[in-house]
Amino acid sequence: QQQVKQSPQSLIVQKGGISIINCAYENTAFDYFPWYQQFPGKGPALLIAIRPDVSEKKEGRFTISFNKSAKQFSLHIMDSQPGDSATYFCAALGGTSYGKLTFGQGTILTVHP
Amino acid sequence: DTAVSQTPKYLVTQMGNDKSIKCEQNLGHDTMYWYKQDSKKFLKIMFSYNNKELIINETVPNRFSPKSPDKAHLNLHINSLELGDSAVYFCASSPPLAGSRDTQYFGPGTRLTVL
Repeated sequence: QQQVKQSPQSLIVQKGGISIINCAYENTAFDYFPWYQQFPGKGPALLIAIRPDVSEKKEGRFTISFNKSAKQFSLHIMDSQPGDSATYFCAALGGTSYGKLTFGQGTILTVHP
Repeated sequence: DTAVSQTPKYLVTQMGNDKSIKCEQNLGHDTMYWYKQDSKKFLKIMFSYNNKELIINETVPNRFSPKSPDKAHLNLHINSLELGDSAVYFCASSPPLAGSRDTQYFGPGTRLTVL
């Protein structure tokens, strides 16, 4: 049972373009939604996170949009750069999960120069 | 000054062997985790320890046994290794669970290959 569904599986964007990755969740007890960035050979690193009391959070070129009623959230990367090429994971946590992060399937982002 | 470190980074072994992966964090966190990332890059939690106490034990075969000698260390011992155990194993840590919404910091991973 996949509680967090992520799309697309892969994404190719030109330098300067906007990258958009979408996630949908099922468990309404989730109340913390982080995005992780993973470069080849490295561990995932927190990029940005949001709680459901706000609909949007922006940090630099990265923005999370959150739609509580639709149980969906998305990551927008503005002015995408080749250095942003990585795998991105959405995740969710909350309720009685005791820190158990449930991850989406991941999106491989390639930004062409 | 690495926050979460794992050893070894690579581990190649034969089926049936027993192996251990070590994890240490110097962030002062109380909670540590083991995640498995399969060949399709899917990340799934295996175990979580809070202050040396096991709090999450997903449906993982009994051949996997975590051990936490102190709050800063969480080791993973695997008995009778099978081909399907080949994966990248990540250790992570986070601040105390009171908030249960804090950032988890991941180690660099251990790539296990079972031949």
